[in-house]
Amino acid sequence: KAGVTQTPRYLIKTRGQQVTLSCSPISGHRSVSWYQQTPGQGLQFLFEYFSETQRNKGNFPGRFSGRQFSNSRSEMNVSTLELGDSALYLCASSLDGNQAQHFGDGTRLSIL
Amino acid sequence: AQSVTQLGSHVSVSEGALVLLRCNYSSSVPPYLFWYVQYPNQGLQLLLKYTSAATLVKGINGFEAEFKKSETSFHLTKPSAHMSDAAEYFCAVSEGTSYGKLTFGQGTILTVHP
Repeated sequence: KAGVTQTPRYLIKTRGQQVTLSCSPISGHRSVSWYQQTPGQGLQFLFEYFSETQRNKGNFPGRFSGRQFSNSRSEMNVSTLELGDSALYLCASSLDGNQAQHFGDGTRLSIL
Repeated sequence: AQSVTQLGSHVSVSEGALVLLRCNYSSSVPPYLFWYVQYPNQGLQLLLKYTSAATLVKGINGFEAEFKKSETSFHLTKPSAHMSDAAEYFCAVSEGTSYGKLTFGQGTILTVHP
């Protein structure tokens, strides 16, 4: 069974640009969550999608958004990039959002 | 609100010694608790989970954890450390009403000396 797949693995952007990250969950998983990991703040929850609806949201500015498609694949978008957005972005999937989450290897975003 | 505290940002053990990584949680409802491991340049791998069944939970790679409600703790142990256990370990809590949200501790880096 294939795991959670995140693309791309690495991204380099400049301030002010926008970026879209992609996540394909484990087959049959309908819940997709996104996290930001930085050395200073650790792992922080961004948002969760289930059946194409955002059910939960963390404390991030509106520049961070996401969506989920009918096949449960999810994308995360960050607009007007700032230096502080440099981080490892992790996607996780689970059956329904309350079971154990399985993580992808992440997308490392660097802002110059 | 839920929170997790991992005592000790760095733990160092000798190969073959006991591994003990500490985790205390705060939750307003009966929690689900998890331990994850992260190797360099990789995502998080689930070691084990507690979801209100047996209080002693066995996971992969010889790890286990015990849920102690009175102490609000969920410490991770392994009887004998192996060099391949060197990694960063995260304790996480989930409340059933907070869909898809895990709250993580700050992590503990485990070093294993030969």
